[in-house]
Amino acid sequence: DSGVTQTPKHLITATGQRVTLRCSPRSGDLSVYWYQQSLDQGLQFLIQYYNGEERAKGNILERFSAQQFPDLHSELNLSSLELGDSALYFCASSPGGAHQETQYFGPGTRLLVL
Amino acid sequence: AQTVTQSQPEMSVQEAETVTLSCTYDTSENNYYLFWYKQPPSRQMILVIRQEAYKQQNATENRFSVNFQKAAKSFSLKISDSQLGDTAMYFCAFFFSGTYKYIFGTGTRLKVLA
Repeated sequence: DSGVTQTPKHLITATGQRVTLRCSPRSGDLSVYWYQQSLDQGLQFLIQYYNGEERAKGNILERFSAQQFPDLHSELNLSSLELGDSALYFCASSPGGAHQETQYFGPGTRLLVL
Repeated sequence: AQTVTQSQPEMSVQEAETVTLSCTYDTSENNYYLFWYKQPPSRQMILVIRQEAYKQQNATENRFSVNFQKAAKSFSLKISDSQLGDTAMYFCAFFFSGTYKYIFGTGTRLKVLA
C-alpha cells in the first residue's frame, strides 16, 4: 500500500459525459501527478501539481482539467468523454516538487466509456 | 523530440537466474533522470530504481541494477536471482528537465518461471 488513495476504483459512463476522479496523496506529500494508461497509447504523463500550483504539463487534452486543493487532494476532470478515453488513470504523489523524487502511485481508477 | 524504446515486448527467465531488460532512448538534452518501474498483475506502479544522467556510477538496489551508457543512450535493467514475485510489466521512464516531460517506454512483460 503506497499511501495514495484514488476514488472511485471503477467508473462506467457514456460518451459525452463528464466525470471527476479524486486523489489523496500520501501524508505530507506536496506534489500530485496524473497519468493515463491505455492499451494503444501506453502510459502517458498528464499533469503535475505542486502545493496547489500547476508545475508540469504533459499530453493532457483540453477536455481534461485538474486542480489541487488547499488540503492537497487533487481532482482530474474529464469532459465530453470519448470511447478512446477508456483507460486506467493513475495518481502519484511525491514529497516535494523535484522530478527525481520517488513517485508513489495509487491503485488507479479504471474508466470505461461506452 | 524525445523517444523511448523497449524492444523486448515479452521475456521469460527461470527462477534464480539473471535477466536483463533493455531500454534505449533518444534526446538532445543533457539533463534528465531515468527510472525503471514495475507493474505487477495488481496494476500498481512501483519504482524499482532510478539514475541521474549526470552520475557515471550505475545505480543498484538489492537484486536490481542498471547499466547506463549515456553515449549509447542505453539504460538496461538487470535482475539477479529472479523471484516469482518479479513477474510483472517493466517500464523504463525518463524525466527530461529541459522540456519538463515524463516519457515512458511501451513496457516489457517479464515472466519468472518456477
